[in-house]
Amino acid sequence: AQKITQTQPGMFVQEKEAVTLDCTYDTSDPSYGLFWYKQPSSGEMIFLIYQGSYDQQNATEGRYSLNFQKARKSANLVISASQLGDSAMYFCAMREGAGNTGKLIFGQGTTLQVKP
Amino acid sequence: NAGVTQTPKFRVLKTGQSMTLLCAQDMNHEYMYWYRQDPGMGLRLIHYSVGEGTTAKGEVPDGYNVSRLKKQNFLLGLESAAPSQTSVYFCASFPGLGAPDTQYFGPGTRLTVL
Repeated sequence: AQKITQTQPGMFVQEKEAVTLDCTYDTSDPSYGLFWYKQPSSGEMIFLIYQGSYDQQNATEGRYSLNFQKARKSANLVISASQLGDSAMYFCAMREGAGNTGKLIFGQGTTLQVKP
Repeated sequence: NAGVTQTPKFRVLKTGQSMTLLCAQDMNHEYMYWYRQDPGMGLRLIHYSVGEGTTAKGEVPDGYNVSRLKKQNFLLGLESAAPSQTSVYFCASFPGLGAPDTQYFGPGTRLTVL
């Protein structure tokens, strides 16, 4: 069963507008972490934001915020004031607490294109 | 402080050839990982290590072997390369559990098997 689901293969957004990238997850572990990464065309994996399962507040990092809805098992990434440099592939990932391995499970990604 | 480095950056192999990918980290991290990324897909875990001298299988381990003889290095071996192993390979390291920290990724190795 797929544990991380990103249902939007591709998204377009106008420059300076906000955009939401969807991510749903599936786990029975009460302790887990959720991550978003950006992968530009150059290929490197860039960490954006982290949300722990016990965190009471939604995580924010600059223009990035994570809309964490635990009951719905969703962890959507919100990018405010989109910039041309935000055009990239975005991955949602989960780390489960059980097993103490630190392994990450990735979704299939969403390609975001920012239009000028 | 170089972070996570991978050698080589690019490689082309013929079917049946062998090679070793080297991952090195200078952050004294306990945990290390090898992922592969196929076109249009997310990363999938091949093998990982939770400490020097230990290795374990991930989601897609077939056709690969690994070794972690030194804490700072994690080697990924392909004994007999197949076209299905054409992919981008990422190494990552992680300080250990208890901290809400991300894995630190290397720049990737692009491997083509003809």
